Amino acid sequence: EAGVVQSPRYKIIEKKQPVAFWCNPISGHNTLYWYRQNLGQGPELLIRYENEEAVDDSQLPKDRFSAERLKGVDSTLKIQPAELGDSAVYLCASSLVRAEAQYFGPGTRLLVL
Amino acid sequence: KQEVTQIPAALSVPEGENLVLNCSFTDSAIYNLQWFRQDPGKGLTSLLLIQSSQREQTSGRLNASLDKSSGRSTLYIAASQPGDSATYLCAVPMYSGGGADGLTFGKGTHLIIQP
Repeated sequence: EAGVVQSPRYKIIEKKQPVAFWCNPISGHNTLYWYRQNLGQGPELLIRYENEEAVDDSQLPKDRFSAERLKGVDSTLKIQPAELGDSAVYLCASSLVRAEAQYFGPGTRLLVL
Repeated sequence: KQEVTQIPAALSVPEGENLVLNCSFTDSAIYNLQWFRQDPGKGLTSLLLIQSSQREQTSGRLNASLDKSSGRSTLYIAASQPGDSATYLCAVPMYSGGGADGLTFGKGTHLIIQP
């Protein structure tokens, strides 16, 4: 069974530029999460989807971040414009149902110069 | 708001030793707890998931225990090997109300096993 797929793996951009990350969850997993991990910290939730509905986006900085999950499968997280403080690893995870384990992708390492 | 603390922040031991990693959480009304491993520059690998009704889970040389009432979990690694070197993170659901919630993570324990 394929795991969570993310692309790109690395991205270097200049501040004020836009950037997008893509995630393909494990087949059949209805719940999808985006997390951000700063150096030396644990991941922090940005947004959670149940199928195509964003059910928890309270921690998403909505002035510059947006996300979508069309058809309840793949998801895209976008930052526009990027700031220096956005440099981090962006992780996507998926789970089957409540109380089941979350499985993470390899992440996208973003560096904003 | 749920807070998760992991002790120690870093640990270095010789190969072959048994060791214990600690995790504590402030809100005991959780429905599960998950332990992860993270290698440098990699994503998170799920190691063990303990449901709130369980006291422990085992996978190979790993054993995780859960004491909800005291807000604690431990990850026991038997006969440690250099390949066990990684950062270990514990995580609990953000809210006690249920549903497929996002996780609140500790900062992790950075483990080095010396050959």
